[in-house]
Amino acid sequence: EVQLVESGGGLVQPGGSLRLSCAASGFTFSSYEMNWVRQAPGKGLEWVSYISSSGSTIYYADSVKGRFTISRDNAKNSLYLQMNSLRAEDTAVYYCARATSGYYGSGGYYYYMDVWGKGTTVTVSS
Amino acid sequence: EIVMTQSPATLSVSPGERATLSCRASQSVSSNLAWYQQKPGQAPRLLIYGASTRATGIPARFSGSGSGTEFTLTISSLQSEDFAVYYCQQYNNWPSLTFGGGTKVEIK
Repeated sequence: EVQLVESGGGLVQPGGSLRLSCAASGFTFSSYEMNWVRQAPGKGLEWVSYISSSGSTIYYADSVKGRFTISRDNAKNSLYLQMNSLRAEDTAVYYCARATSGYYGSGGYYYYMDVWGKGTTVTVSS
Repeated sequence: EIVMTQSPATLSVSPGERATLSCRASQSVSSNLAWYQQKPGQAPRLLIYGASTRATGIPARFSGSGSGTEFTLTISSLQSEDFAVYYCQQYNNWPSLTFGGGTKVEIK
């Protein structure tokens, strides 16, 4: 079964740090791009970060740039998100999501997140 | 940043009826749009990509249309399991992916 399982969430004080993990199984992890997406309580979805299949290309949302670091260990089938200088507005459920991308024969492009974990909750509060 | 706006925020529909959800982009995203369904306490589930291509295993009652700045998700005959929140998401401006605020489909 294709599966992603996040862990590492919890309660942390403002300014603190937390490291999230995402364990992949049931597919060839090293072949897929991955993303972190978060959802604040009662709010919509917000893309956080992207990493290429090899880990060589990384992007961040402006809201977390300079504070969060995404990484992966393909030998361990794992994705990570190191979160530093945490703020109250970082409080959310954090999802890891597998991405699939490619080109249609007509030249168009597709990119979608087709496998999601159940999420891990991060609460930033004093 | 491309802003995605969904309407209505809440849609009240009776089971068996048709539901039409709208998504508007602040600038053209071509057909680079996906739709996701999210039920309470669950992760999002991919429904549609490329504005109109159903993901694997998605029932035919779900259909997507549109291009440029205006998109529609239609659920032809609502089933009990379809009551959920639906999000559109553009990937034209990849890697900066942006989601709409969501439309909650509730039982009338």
